Amino acid sequence: QQQVKQSPQSLIVQKGGISIINCAYENTAFDYFPWYQQFPGKGPALLIAIRPDVSEKKEGRFTISFNKSAKQFSLHIMDSQPGDSATYFCAASIRGYGGATNKLIFGTGTLLAVQP
Amino acid sequence: DTAVSQTPKYLVTQMGNDKSIKCEQNLGHDTMYWYKQDSKKFLKIMFSYNNKELIINETVPNRFSPKSPDKAHLNLHINSLELGDSAVYFCASSQVITGSYEQYFGPGTRLTVT
Repeated sequence: QQQVKQSPQSLIVQKGGISIINCAYENTAFDYFPWYQQFPGKGPALLIAIRPDVSEKKEGRFTISFNKSAKQFSLHIMDSQPGDSATYFCAASIRGYGGATNKLIFGTGTLLAVQP
Repeated sequence: DTAVSQTPKYLVTQMGNDKSIKCEQNLGHDTMYWYKQDSKKFLKIMFSYNNKELIINETVPNRFSPKSPDKAHLNLHINSLELGDSAVYFCASSQVITGSYEQYFGPGTRLTVT
């Protein structure tokens, strides 16, 4: 129940196209849903995040769509660029342990390749 | 200014050895984490510390012992290294007391056990 399922495993998009990555979860206790971008040899970098009381959040070319009833959320990258080629991870967080920490449960990652 | 830093970047060692990875954050955060990324890139939490106190231990073998000397530092010591310990280890931090959920990751330490 603490899993986050992510698809597709890999994605090839043409420059200027839209990249869409999907995630699904089961645990309704999750209350924060971030997306991370990871380049080879680097640490995951926080890209954009959403709370379950919001259905959509947009930051530049990146948009999260959130469907609470379906327990799904997705990342849309508009006007995809070769520089967006990276591995993208969705995650879900549980605040617990008396509020002393929040644990991130990660999806399995999507390797995005944007072709010029 | 590096927000979350780790040393070393690479660590190659033989089975049975003991090694340590160090992490420092200059963000003033109160909570720090260790995550493990395996060869398939799957990221999984190992430990979480809040104000130097261990909060999460995700059924990690007791060969792994984290230590937090102060809020800005979280080290990971691994005894009797095994081949299966080969992975990239990431340190992260967040400011939980303000209600923030944002976690910031370090550059990672690639551990190779031969």
